[in-house]
Amino acid sequence: EAGVAQSPRYKIIEKRQSVAFWCNPISGHATLYWYQQILGQGPKLLIQFQNNGVVDDSQLPKDRFSAERLKGVDSTLKIQPAKLEDSAVYLCASSAGTSVGNEQFFGPGTRLTVL
Amino acid sequence: GQQVMQIPQYQHVQEGEDFTTYCNSSTTLSNIQWYKQRPGGHPVFLIQLVKSGEVKKQKRLTFQFGEAKKNSSLHITATQTTDVGTYFCAGPDYSGANNLFFGTGTRLTVIP
Repeated sequence: EAGVAQSPRYKIIEKRQSVAFWCNPISGHATLYWYQQILGQGPKLLIQFQNNGVVDDSQLPKDRFSAERLKGVDSTLKIQPAKLEDSAVYLCASSAGTSVGNEQFFGPGTRLTVL
Repeated sequence: GQQVMQIPQYQHVQEGEDFTTYCNSSTTLSNIQWYKQRPGGHPVFLIQLVKSGEVKKQKRLTFQFGEAKKNSSLHITATQTTDVGTYFCAGPDYSGANNLFFGTGTRLTVIP
């Protein structure tokens, strides 16, 4: 079975520029997550979708970050404008169920460097 | 706020030695998951523990959930170079949201 796909794998931008990341979850997985992982830290949840609805976006800096999952399948995460502290790996994950006990499958991540 | 601390932060062992990482939560957890992240890789699910005092084994890995469901441990017997990576525990967000809160992680280095 194909895993979670993400693109691009790497992105370098200057501060105040915009950037977008794309994620395609495992087929049939209802729940999709975006995490931010700063070097040396654990993944921090940014937003969680169930199908095409937002379940939790309490940790998403909404003044600059936005995400959508319009058709309940793939998703995009956007940062506009980027700040230096946004440099991190952005991980997308999906799970088959909606319970917090479900195993999450992670994609390879997008490494963002903001200069 | 919610905290899930892991100790040690880093551990270097000689190949063949045992390794243990401890996970401590500031809140009681309904369940706990463990993930492994290889250098440059992404987290990969290892196991989930649900019951108080539960112990599960996967070959050389032994996972334990504390009686009070606020702590957990992962023990690796006779480490191999393939065990290198960062081990994260993760528990449900105490706010009631249906998502995981990841611990600080323990980075394991195995010296051949």
